[in-house]
Parts: sequence; C-alpha cells; structure tokens
Amino acid sequence: SQQGEEDPQALSIQEGENATMNCSYKTSINNLQWYRQNSGRGLVHLILIRSNEREKHSGRLRVTLDTSKKSSSLLITASRAADTASYFCAIIDRGSTLGRLYFGRGTQLTVWP
Amino acid sequence: EPEVTQTPSHQVTQMGQEVILRCVPISNHLYFYWYRQILGQKVEFLVSFYNNEISEKSEIFDDQFSVERPDGSNFTLKIRSTKLEDSAMYFCASSLGLAGYNEQFFGPGTRLTVL
Repeated sequence: SQQGEEDPQALSIQEGENATMNCSYKTSINNLQWYRQNSGRGLVHLILIRSNEREKHSGRLRVTLDTSKKSSSLLITASRAADTASYFCAIIDRGSTLGRLYFGRGTQLTVWP
Repeated sequence: EPEVTQTPSHQVTQMGQEVILRCVPISNHLYFYWYRQILGQKVEFLVSFYNNEISEKSEIFDDQFSVERPDGSNFTLKIRSTKLEDSAMYFCASSLGLAGYNEQFFGPGTRLTVL
C-alpha cells in the first residue's frame, strides 16, 4: 500500500514539551504533506515537503524527510494545549500529476495544560 | 485568507435517497477533489477533477457517485441512491497548480448520515 502510516498512534505530553510524530510509506513519492484535524472538523494543511527536500520549517513546526528510509517526521516545539488534534501524513506517488493523496491513520496528540 | 467552503455541514438522509454535497473551492484553483472519512478510519480519496472532467477516481467512486462543476464556483458530489455504508464525513479539496506537486486545501467537511 502506498499509504503513509503514522507512529505513534497516540501521544500525550505536557504543555511546553516537544512532540515528534513519524510517518513511513512504501512507494516513491512526489511530495509528502502533513495535516491537522481537530476532533470532528476539517483537515488543515500544515506543510508540504518535496522529495528533493530534507527539512522544512514553519513556525513551531519542523518536518524532515528521508527518502532512503521512506520516512518523515513532524516536530512540534514548545507545544500548547491548542495543538491537541490528530496529525496525518499524506503522500503523492512519484510521477503522479493527478494529485491523489494517500493518508495514514494519524497520530492523536494530546497536550495537557 | 481564501478557503474552501462546504454545505451543508451535516446532512441526514434516508437510505435510497439522493444527496448532493456542495463545495466552493478556492477561486483561482484548478484541481478539485472529493475525499471521505468513515468514522474512525483513514481519509480516502474518491475522485479528482480538472478541466471539467474526472481525472482519476478510486474504486469507491462507483456508478452511484457523480461530480459536477455546474458554474464557475461550485463543485458538487452527488450520491444517487445512498446506502448505510455511505455515512461518513465528505471533504472537498482544491489545489492551485499541477496537482501532484502542490498543496491541497480542504474544506470543513459535510457529515452525511444515512438512516
């Protein structure tokens, strides 16, 4: 399956701590995207990292990509209670111009105040 | 900031009825998508749409499903005869450029409940 798979399934931390979530996949990719979903709500796009990139930052978010290991990580630094949500990685196959995203099951992050 | 909008937020229907889910993609975007998420499961791709035609569809997107861009702003998903297993959150998404290389922005979703 091309789908991304996140690890861990659930993560519980205190405010101020860093949260790291991992994503593994099986195919070659064009890019990998991370999304956040608050309970019962829509998907919010966080970061897109292309297959020729190794690291990207956006505010408190840092994403890495290792195409040799077919894995990515999302780091949230100095977490806040408002970061509590499910986080998904989604991949687009290499060579795909049609944009079909394959999602993983997500990591449920809980940040305690 | 431009965003994808969807209506209604929640639709309840009887099995066998037709439903139309509506989406307004971001105005200058060219690629449009529908995904669904059954409760507790992964987000699954249904269909992509570009230049007024379907680009790709998944095995879920059978003859009961259709999509349309009836005017310059709306993008709709129709389910002709709903089944219980169609109950899910349906997300519309849009993308500005070449779909395999650009971010997809999602709407807030329509929760479809089939009774």
